[in-house]
Amino acid sequence: EVQLVESGGGLVKPGGSLRLSCAASTFTFSNYPMNWVRQAPGKGLEWVSSISSSSTYIYYADSVKGRFTISRDNAKNSLYLQMNSLRAEDTAIYYCARDWGSPYYYFDYWGQGTLVTVSS
Amino acid sequence: EIVLTQSPGTLSLSPGERATLSCRASQSVSSNYLTWYQQKPGQAPRLLIYGASSRATGIPDRFSGSGSGTDFTLIISRLEPEDFAVYYCQQYGSSPRITFGQGTRLEIK
Repeated sequence: EVQLVESGGGLVKPGGSLRLSCAASTFTFSNYPMNWVRQAPGKGLEWVSSISSSSTYIYYADSVKGRFTISRDNAKNSLYLQMNSLRAEDTAIYYCARDWGSPYYYFDYWGQGTLVTVSS
Repeated sequence: EIVLTQSPGTLSLSPGERATLSCRASQSVSSNYLTWYQQKPGQAPRLLIYGASSRATGIPDRFSGSGSGTDFTLIISRLEPEDFAVYYCQQYGSSPRITFGQGTRLEIK
């Protein structure tokens, strides 16, 4: 069974930084694009960032562009999200999700999420 | 930017009834790129339907998807107690790359 386990969430002050990790197992991680999706408390899903299988293509939502950086280490089967200049509105559960890629671009497996709280 | 609008916001039905959920796009979306998810409280989303009408592995056949262009529909033919949840549609596009609808809450009447 595919496993995605996020870590690194926590409480951080506005303007602070945090690095999330997502450990993948039981599938060939290097074959799949990956994504971060977040969900503010009581709200809907918001896509944050995508990275292609070899890190060639990277995309961000406008709301995080210039502040967040997605990366991956295929040797370590891990996905990362470096979050800088955090704001209160970044408070959310952050999920990593495996992307099936072309031709459908759906997310077939999701982690359990890690909570990021931005508050003074 | 393509905006997905889901309706209704909340749907109140009883087990055994049929549920019809709508997802309308502000611009035409390729059917390949329209996906539906189910999310229960405290859980991650679960893939239901991809390519507008293809059921994901392990999804019961009471779930079906249809539509094209700007109008897509998720139908649950006979509601089971475990189907009461929030449902999201999602599309893949150019900018932003991925967008979600705001969700439809399916609650027990």
